[in-house]
Amino acid sequence: GENVGLHLPTLSVQEGDNSIINCAYSNSASDYFIWYKQESGKGPQFIIDIRSNMDKRQGQRVTVLLNKTVKHLSLQIAATQPGDSAVYFCAETQAGTALIFGKGTTLSVSS
Amino acid sequence: EAGVTQFPSHSVIEKGQTVTLRCDPISGHDNLYWYRRVMGKEIKFLLHFVKESKQDESGMPNNRFLAERTGGTYSTLKVQPAELEDSGVYFCASSQAQTGKGFFGQGTRLTVV
Repeated sequence: GENVGLHLPTLSVQEGDNSIINCAYSNSASDYFIWYKQESGKGPQFIIDIRSNMDKRQGQRVTVLLNKTVKHLSLQIAATQPGDSAVYFCAETQAGTALIFGKGTTLSVSS
Repeated sequence: EAGVTQFPSHSVIEKGQTVTLRCDPISGHDNLYWYRRVMGKEIKFLLHFVKESKQDESGMPNNRFLAERTGGTYSTLKVQPAELEDSGVYFCASSQAQTGKGFFGQGTRLTVV
């Protein structure tokens, strides 16, 4: 499942599918990007980050891709599980200034 | 090690009243940030402390909001008088280095009625 192009607030996938969440960031000078996961009643939880001198970074079941040409960031989740259901936010920052968050995508995983 | 803690977790107040939110950062973290999420929209920056000093308060919406961090430890965010549009979830985050990346608390859900 993927939210492509314009930001879509929701993404529904089946358990075991791969999920792709997209984000367009605003500042071409941003040099550090983070994906956060927010579950109901909790604060944003760090998932993975990437610096502007990289275009791909992999974690456990998650991959972040950065395309600076079009100011686009994506989060790929492999073998999505029900526990991955949450709101996902991308965030950008420049030189350690405060984070600028994207609008958030609600991922719903059905089993 | 304790994470970032915020108190209270929920607050319901009437328009015109005063509310004070508290954030205890992770011990040793000099950087403390306040953010809020209003009505399911994106999370927006309010201000940033480095120790007890306000590094950046460009996100504070108006002078009804007052943030303090006396002694460089915990921080408070006071809203006086509260308005309906102040309703939302207020998050605090802290970090050791000024990288922008912060560890977030669970948030305080403020409802102004």
